[in-house]
Amino acid sequence: DIQMTQSPSSLSASVGDRVTITCQASQDISTFLNWYQLKPGKAPKLLIYDASNLQTGAPSRFSGSGSGTDFTFTITSLQTEDFATYFCQQYDNFPPAFGQGTKLEMK
Amino acid sequence: EVYLLESGGTLVHPGGSLRLSCVASGFTFSNYAMTWVRQAPGKRLEWVSTITTTETTYYADSVKGRFTISRDNSKNTVFLQVNSLRVEDAAMYFCAKPFRGGSMFAFDFWGPGTMVSVSP
Repeated sequence: DIQMTQSPSSLSASVGDRVTITCQASQDISTFLNWYQLKPGKAPKLLIYDASNLQTGAPSRFSGSGSGTDFTFTITSLQTEDFATYFCQQYDNFPPAFGQGTKLEMK
Repeated sequence: EVYLLESGGTLVHPGGSLRLSCVASGFTFSNYAMTWVRQAPGKRLEWVSTITTTETTYYADSVKGRFTISRDNSKNTVFLQVNSLRVEDAAMYFCAKPFRGGSMFAFDFWGPGTMVSVSP
């Protein structure tokens, strides 16, 4: 099974900051990677699909890059509503697997 | 607008059973595989089970033989029958829908989840 290693596990930042999260796959997954936002009591929200494509309706301050085993998720100019937990997920190989999550907290 | 709503979660004793449901709207349900994903407190999201449009089923090793996924296209509903519950099955259970035409494991919409608690 593919293992997804996400870092950092938590991050403190301020409104207006640029934030970067990384995700590493244990083997090559091409660009078969999604990024999700999770808030308590709400449905997880897809932000980036196929590693670098912005989901319809997601703000343009979210972006993703990478291929193979190393991926990056960036939020430029952090907004109040962005304080949440973010997960990466690979869907290249069965079973699908998620990173351990990054909790983004207000500094 | 796509909408998924899970229900059926509650507190059960170890060894108990539950039936989780997920009602869908806003898309042609019968055309999509559907998946259950769970998140235990403080843990990462974990894929649990998927049912295809032809009712082929897939399970995580951790639930194989204890959980059963099914669907009723006439009711736009996917179910997860959970038996022989263990303390480690306690989690928020989400249902998820995949993109059209892509991997059935690339999810574009999720429900808000239903909580399953397992305690003696």
